[in-house]
Amino acid sequence: KAGVTQTPRYLIKTRGQQVTLSCSPISGHRSVSWYQQTPGQGLQFLFEYFSETQRNKGNFPGRFSGRQFSNSRSEMNVSTLELGDSALYLCASSLGQGTMGYEQYFGPGTRLTVT
Amino acid sequence: GDSVTQMEGPVTLSEEAFLTINCTYTATGYPSLFWYVQYPGEGLQLLLKATKADDKGSNKGFEATYRKETTSFHLEKGSVQVSDSAVYFCALGAGAQKLVFGQGTRLTINP
Repeated sequence: KAGVTQTPRYLIKTRGQQVTLSCSPISGHRSVSWYQQTPGQGLQFLFEYFSETQRNKGNFPGRFSGRQFSNSRSEMNVSTLELGDSALYLCASSLGQGTMGYEQYFGPGTRLTVT
Repeated sequence: GDSVTQMEGPVTLSEEAFLTINCTYTATGYPSLFWYVQYPGEGLQLLLKATKADDKGSNKGFEATYRKETTSFHLEKGSVQVSDSAVYFCALGAGAQKLVFGQGTRLTINP
């Protein structure tokens, strides 16, 4: 079974621009979560989608948004990029419910650099 | 709020040494607990998990026991290998697929 895929793997953007990152979950998984990883703040939860609905959101500004499509693929968008948005953005998929619902499987991440 | 505290790294050991990485948590209720591992340039891999008190998770020689009385989930391995060098993260499930992570512990194993 194919794992979680994220595109692109690397991205360089300029301050003030916007960016869209994509995540394709494991087949059969309906939940997609997004995390930001930085050396200073570590791994922080951004939001989670299940069956196209946002179920949970972390403590990030409104510039960070996401969505999920009917095939469970998800995108996250960051508008008006700031230097501090430079990070590794990780996507994780899971069944999203039931006893195995919490087992999250991570993609390789998208490395975003804002200059 | 929910939080996870891991022992500070980095940790450097010789091959075949015994490994312990401490992890304690603060949470309402009884969350599921996880250990993830991150190799250089990669995402996180689920190493093991425990869903209720006294459960022991195990995988690839690693073990961790969910201790409700001490709110701990320490990671142990009896004999480490060079290939175990990575960053290890302890995490708890905090509702609706939200994982709360510790700060990570970098482990280096020397041959």
